[in-house]
Amino acid sequence: EPEVTQTPSHQVTQMGQEVILRCVPISNHLYFYWYRQILGQKVEFLVSFYNNEISEKSEIFDDQFSVERPDGSNFTLKIRSTKLEDSAMYFCASSPRVPGYYEQYFGPGTRLTVT
Amino acid sequence: GENVEQHPSTLSVQEGDSAVIKCTYSDSASNYFPWYKQELGKRPQLIIDIRSNVGEKKDQRIAVTLNKTAKHFSLHITETQPEDSAVYFCAANPGYSSASKIIFGSGTRLSIRP
Repeated sequence: EPEVTQTPSHQVTQMGQEVILRCVPISNHLYFYWYRQILGQKVEFLVSFYNNEISEKSEIFDDQFSVERPDGSNFTLKIRSTKLEDSAMYFCASSPRVPGYYEQYFGPGTRLTVT
Repeated sequence: GENVEQHPSTLSVQEGDSAVIKCTYSDSASNYFPWYKQELGKRPQLIIDIRSNVGEKKDQRIAVTLNKTAKHFSLHITETQPEDSAVYFCAANPGYSSASKIIFGSGTRLSIRP
């Protein structure tokens, strides 16, 4: 069964550095999402992406964040200048463009540690 | 704004007993209600979902009920087993698009006592 993949599994970075988290959505999916989960807390929506543009973003997704689909397979989340509070698990998800189909498929996550 | 409340935050049940987790949602347009199981350090895994045109859905030992009028939905796990121990999240979509975000509840840590 196809799966969403994410790299790296764990990223350690220093405060103020830029990080890029990478995701490969399921190949025939057209909607892409990023969520984050601070340790011990709930999963929070960051951004959704369709047709090469952001569909919706949350309050968390400020100017320090950006997303990109640089080629036909990858979907990236960039944090320009990391802060301690960006430490979290970041999950990518994808969904097919089928009317009435709601399920989102989650990747295994990237654990980001900002020191 | 959109919100999903979940109770209890922790739940401990004897193996073989039933567990019930309850959620409420704020957006009356929500029409998709998934439940996720998350083991430590792993991704949320969809275990069951329900659409707004259905009041109840069952899959083996897991069932979900939905009361649209009250904006409540619940997860029922019967004959609990040790492998059911995990954090469970309810969720809802805001309903304006099938591609919309999912709003998660705060999670319930379920422990099964042997």
